[in-house]
Amino acid sequence: GAVVSQHPSRVICKSGTSVKIECRSLDFQATTMFWYRQFPKQSLMLMATSNEGSKATYEQGVEKDKFLINHASLTLSTLTVTSAHPEDSSFYICSARGEGGDTEAFFGQGTRLTVV
Amino acid sequence: GQNIDQPTEMTATEGAIVQINCTYQTSGFNGLFWYQQHAGEAPTFLSYNVLDGLEEKGRFSSFLSRSKGYSYLLLKELQMKDSASYLCASMDSNYQLIWGAGTKLIIKP
Repeated sequence: GAVVSQHPSRVICKSGTSVKIECRSLDFQATTMFWYRQFPKQSLMLMATSNEGSKATYEQGVEKDKFLINHASLTLSTLTVTSAHPEDSSFYICSARGEGGDTEAFFGQGTRLTVV
Repeated sequence: GQNIDQPTEMTATEGAIVQINCTYQTSGFNGLFWYQQHAGEAPTFLSYNVLDGLEEKGRFSSFLSRSKGYSYLLLKELQMKDSASYLCASMDSNYQLIWGAGTKLIIKP
């Protein structure tokens, strides 16, 4: 299958600082990228969907000014958690999908964010 | 509303067969996915069904009945490494994935 690289895999940051998570599709062009958050023992929760070159579409209850998503190219999307707080500590996962709405989405390795 | 139901937890014995069921109700349907997720890791893709019937891929098989809104994942010759959560996800008419809560599969020797 295709490869999606997510970086960093783990990050610890101080409360009030910002953290950027990168998601790259290594061998295909990702026209759509999805960002998910997963709290312990819970299912994946979609935060936002981004299409290359356009603004992300955020799910209800997700603050777009806090979780900044940029999808400037067909191989890179970034999620920036601004002014992080301990309650933002979670597992963040990106997935990428190529052209064609019914194609499989490939997941990045995930990023474990801990805000202290 | 959109809803995915799957059992919370199942237990099976090494070497045996286990079937994990999933029922779905989504706005439109563009396929049913199964993912495996080990603790602390991102999900990995197992299968995609969009037509009725059984798709076999090695020890894992996935079945879909669109008329019943039902799918199952069948795992044969269970190994200890199969202990994981198995996530069922339906793709709706907007090509968005609607996720189930996952089934935690515990394999015992």
